[in-house]
Amino acid sequence: DAGVIQSPRHEVTEMGQEVTLRCKPISGHDYLFWYRQTMMRGLELLIYFNNNVPIDDSGMPEDRFSAKMPNASFSTLKIQPSEPRDSAVYFCASSKGGKRNTGELFFGEGSRLTVL
Amino acid sequence: AQSVTQPDIHITVSEGASLELRCNYSYGATPYLFWYVQSPGQGLQLLLKYFSGDTLVQGIKGFEAEFKRSQSSFNLRKPSVHWSDAAEYFCAVGEGNAGNMLTFGGGTRLMVKP
Repeated sequence: DAGVIQSPRHEVTEMGQEVTLRCKPISGHDYLFWYRQTMMRGLELLIYFNNNVPIDDSGMPEDRFSAKMPNASFSTLKIQPSEPRDSAVYFCASSKGGKRNTGELFFGEGSRLTVL
Repeated sequence: AQSVTQPDIHITVSEGASLELRCNYSYGATPYLFWYVQSPGQGLQLLLKYFSGDTLVQGIKGFEAEFKRSQSSFNLRKPSVHWSDAAEYFCAVGEGNAGNMLTFGGGTRLMVKP
């Protein structure tokens, strides 16, 4: 089975530009999570979805950040406008829910964002 | 609110030596506890997890961890470290019933000397 797929793997952009990160979760997984990893703050949960519905977005740092999940196989995290302090590695993860819940999150390889 | 503390930011051990990475958590109920490993440029991979039952859990790559409720700890151990174990290790605590929403510790970077 394919794992969680994220794109792009690397993105370099200039301050003020719009950035869109993409994620394809593992087929059959009910939950999708967006995490951000920085040296200063470690791994932070930004938002998570259950059955395509956002459940908790309290970790989204500002209104510049938005996330969508239009269907079970695709999610986006958008930053508009981007700022240098948004530079980080953004991870998408998915997991099963309900009776199939094993407690394990499956992570993608991450999208490394650099905002100049 | 739940939290996880990994007191050691960096640890260096010699190849073949034993390893223990510390993890302390704060959680109101019985926690779901996890250890993940992250190799450079990669995502996180699950090493092992504790939900209930036997407090000593075995994971992949020869790792094990022991849940000690009285100490709020879930330390990761390996009897003999290999050079390929050099990576960053994350302890995490979850609610189990909330979509596996996990709170991660700050991580411990392991370096292995030849």
